[in-house]
Amino acid sequence: DVKVTQSSRYLVKRTGEKVFLECVQDMDHENMFWYRQDPGLGLRLIYFSYDVKMKEKGDIPEGYSVSREKKERFSLILESASTNQTSMYLCASNRGSYNSPLHFGNGTRLTVT
Amino acid sequence: GQQLNQSPQSMFIQEGEDVSMNCTSSSIFNTWLWYKQDPGEGPVLLIALYKAGELTSNGRLTAQFGITRKDSFLNISASIPSDVGIYFCAGPNAGGTSYGKLTFGQGTILTVHP
Repeated sequence: DVKVTQSSRYLVKRTGEKVFLECVQDMDHENMFWYRQDPGLGLRLIYFSYDVKMKEKGDIPEGYSVSREKKERFSLILESASTNQTSMYLCASNRGSYNSPLHFGNGTRLTVT
Repeated sequence: GQQLNQSPQSMFIQEGEDVSMNCTSSSIFNTWLWYKQDPGEGPVLLIALYKAGELTSNGRLTAQFGITRKDSFLNISASIPSDVGIYFCAGPNAGGTSYGKLTFGQGTILTVHP
């Protein structure tokens, strides 16, 4: 069974801190994604990676960066956390083929105070 | 970018009732996906639709790909308490060739009273 693991379920950080959200998948998937989930807005794509060291901006990349040094690991970085980045963050992965479904982690709920 | 409008935003129903929700888009989609998110977990794929007019079932769930390719519907029959959660429609971003880059609807929050 595919497993996408996010390192933290809950995080509380202060404004201005640098924040790292980590995600690991165990199925050798090519693609990895970071989504942000907010009530009434659904899931919005922040960044996407289709290969090691490759990344592509999603719909809301401002204030975020990503790192993919190994195929199984995809990190989301908040260079200087702000209160409007308080949200649920979901990592997902899939194979590169057309019919490959997205597999999600259980999310990290980040609060920036 | 593309937008998906999902309705209703929330539903409160009695156990045993049927549920209907829909998703509309301003642009054509070639694939429609329906996901469910249980409380405290990530979304899980329920049904995938590939052709206009397609009707697909998964147990008590039935989804349809609209003829215009700009809408999709999800029905749940005889609801049970474990149907509680958030239901999302989704479709591949314009120009996307994999499921990866998806646009999601705002979600429908379903509450089932025993």
